[in-house]
Amino acid sequence: NAGVTQTPKFRILKIGQSMTLQCAQDMNHNYMYWYRQDPGMGLKLIYYSVGAGITDKGEVPNGYNVSRSTTEDFPLRLELAAPSQTSVYFCASSYSRDRGGQPQHFGDGTRLSIL
Amino acid sequence: AQKITQTQPGMFVQEKEAVTLDCTYDTSDPSYGLFWYKQPSSGEMIFLIYQGSYDQQNATEGRYSLNFQKARKSANLVISASQLGDSAMYFCAMREEIGFQKLVFGTGTRLLVSP
Repeated sequence: NAGVTQTPKFRILKIGQSMTLQCAQDMNHNYMYWYRQDPGMGLKLIYYSVGAGITDKGEVPNGYNVSRSTTEDFPLRLELAAPSQTSVYFCASSYSRDRGGQPQHFGDGTRLSIL
Repeated sequence: AQKITQTQPGMFVQEKEAVTLDCTYDTSDPSYGLFWYKQPSSGEMIFLIYQGSYDQQNATEGRYSLNFQKARKSANLVISASQLGDSAMYFCAMREEIGFQKLVFGTGTRLLVSP
């Protein structure tokens, strides 16, 4: 069972470079999310999507963009990398709220350093 | 606004003993869910246990139980018979059940289990 797959696992970027963090899930979940985790902190929501073609901002969206063209994929785009974006990025997915206590399922994370 | 507070940055416990990790929350929503996740040193987020705000009984999952005190707005995680593999970061999170199901995380508690 693949679950939520994130690529790459590690990446070093130079300031001003761009990149896309990939996320794919094979559980047919409606909802998908991107979080960032800074050292010693909990996770903060960057963007989320409730279905293909529908995305919205979370708590810390500045500097990022997302798209959701299919149910399975939810890529996160960094256009102009800044040192403040050095973090661990987690993608997650879940069923809609009709499923009650179903948890969000997380990928293994992408560790990103901006130098 | 929703808020999760974990006041214990670190906890120590000896193998085979029980340990309680504290979590308090704040919300004005009548319907919400509370989650605990484990993050080992390898970095992945592992779902442990869920408690719904309307659940009458405390949730249990194997060695994990959730001590839910609604009036006190607390949702403490109890790990019984600690094992060395329980050493990890533990995050409490709350999800609103009305509207979009955003997860709000606490800052986490690092648990160290000693032999």
